[in-house]
Amino acid sequence: NAGVTQTPKFRVLKTGQSMTLLCAQDMNHEYMYWYRQDPGMGLRLIHYSVGEGTTAKGEVPDGYNVSRLKKQNFLLGLESAAPSQTSVYFCASISPPPWDRAQPQHFGDGTRLSIL
Amino acid sequence: DAKTTQPPSMDCAEGRAANLPCNHSTISGNEYVYWYRQIHSQGPQYIIHGLKNNETNEMASLIITEDRKSSTLILPHATLRDTAVYYCIVRVVYIGNTPLVFGKGTRLSVIA
Repeated sequence: NAGVTQTPKFRVLKTGQSMTLLCAQDMNHEYMYWYRQDPGMGLRLIHYSVGEGTTAKGEVPDGYNVSRLKKQNFLLGLESAAPSQTSVYFCASISPPPWDRAQPQHFGDGTRLSIL
Repeated sequence: DAKTTQPPSMDCAEGRAANLPCNHSTISGNEYVYWYRQIHSQGPQYIIHGLKNNETNEMASLIITEDRKSSTLILPHATLRDTAVYYCIVRVVYIGNTPLVFGKGTRLSVIA
């Protein structure tokens, strides 16, 4: 997907290890989001950010931390990985519209994370 | 944001129109209807959105009923590459920072 890049694309971790997922967007978007998707389920929001230096919790924030030090980057961290965090992680971004218009979110291609 | 109801799965013959329904009976006046799809675990792809008028773009058409309680996404000539999970989402335009909420969607299978 043009504009939103996620790294890495795949990763295998052992229980207790830590890692950081990177999301980068080049569209000068203000808002960024981290979702997770488990087999057979829709996307669930983990954390989001409405601007540089701000973050907020979503639906399933436990076990994750985030940072938005630069406008174009949104980092998702797992301090102590658990098997329950095995999932596909998607990042998305959007720019606040004019109040009379709506904008779509743009998604990255995902990071597939397995925790053994 | 209003809740949506979609059938879990649908089949469509290749070359025919695919009509995907969505019920959103509790939609409020300032909520848009968005459609996304997800092909084979790729990132969700935006398709179309609308408020109350019917909308058309290069990918699809969106028909919203006059009472706005339901809508239909139409893929006019479905191809095998349109096989995907389709999500109908209703949400307000940004007043604050409410993100998209994805349900389980409709799995569309286009059959040759």
